[in-house]
Amino acid sequence: DVKVTQSSRYLVKRTGEKVFLECVQDMDHENMFWYRQDPGLGLRLIYFSYDVKMKEKGDIPEGYSVSREKKERFSLILESASTNQTSMYLCASTGFSYEQYFGPGTRLTVT
Amino acid sequence: QKEVEQNSGPLSVPEGAIASLNCTYSDRGSQSFFWYRQYSGKSPELIMSIYSNGDKEDGRFTAQLNKASQYVSLLIRDSQPSDSATYLCALEGGGTSYGKLTFGQGTILTVHP
Repeated sequence: DVKVTQSSRYLVKRTGEKVFLECVQDMDHENMFWYRQDPGLGLRLIYFSYDVKMKEKGDIPEGYSVSREKKERFSLILESASTNQTSMYLCASTGFSYEQYFGPGTRLTVT
Repeated sequence: QKEVEQNSGPLSVPEGAIASLNCTYSDRGSQSFFWYRQYSGKSPELIMSIYSNGDKEDGRFTAQLNKASQYVSLLIRDSQPSDSATYLCALEGGGTSYGKLTFGQGTILTVHP
């Protein structure tokens, strides 16, 4: 079974803090993705990576950056957290079949 | 811009009935199609993938794909209260998309006893 894990289920941070969200997959997948999900807005792609050190912007990259130093790990960074970044953050990975497998999600609250 | 349209629902069916969830899409180049189930507060879980025209069955779930008409559907037979969730349709466009999926907004399904 594909296993995608995320570092925290719940996180509370203050405005202006730098926030790191970690994602690890154990299936040797090439592609990894970060989404945020908000009520009424659906899943929105923030960034994705198709190889180590390679990244591409998704639909809403502003205010975020990513890092992929190892194939199994993909990190999302909020450079200076703001209240409008309060959301559910979901990491996913995919192999050759394009079936995306999601981690359990991190519910981030920025106060 | 790929678009995926789903009826947001809620779709309410009695226990034991067939639930029918539909999805239409705009990009004729789409090659791979997926259905995800998402329980409230949880992450999406892949339940079906379909790549060619026709039906694909897996237990109580049947996915149907019609590329000419640009729709994909999910049938849930013998619906159970535990099937109550949001169902997301997603598609992958092929080419150098790196496996990016376009998701619909989801259909809320409620199965009542």
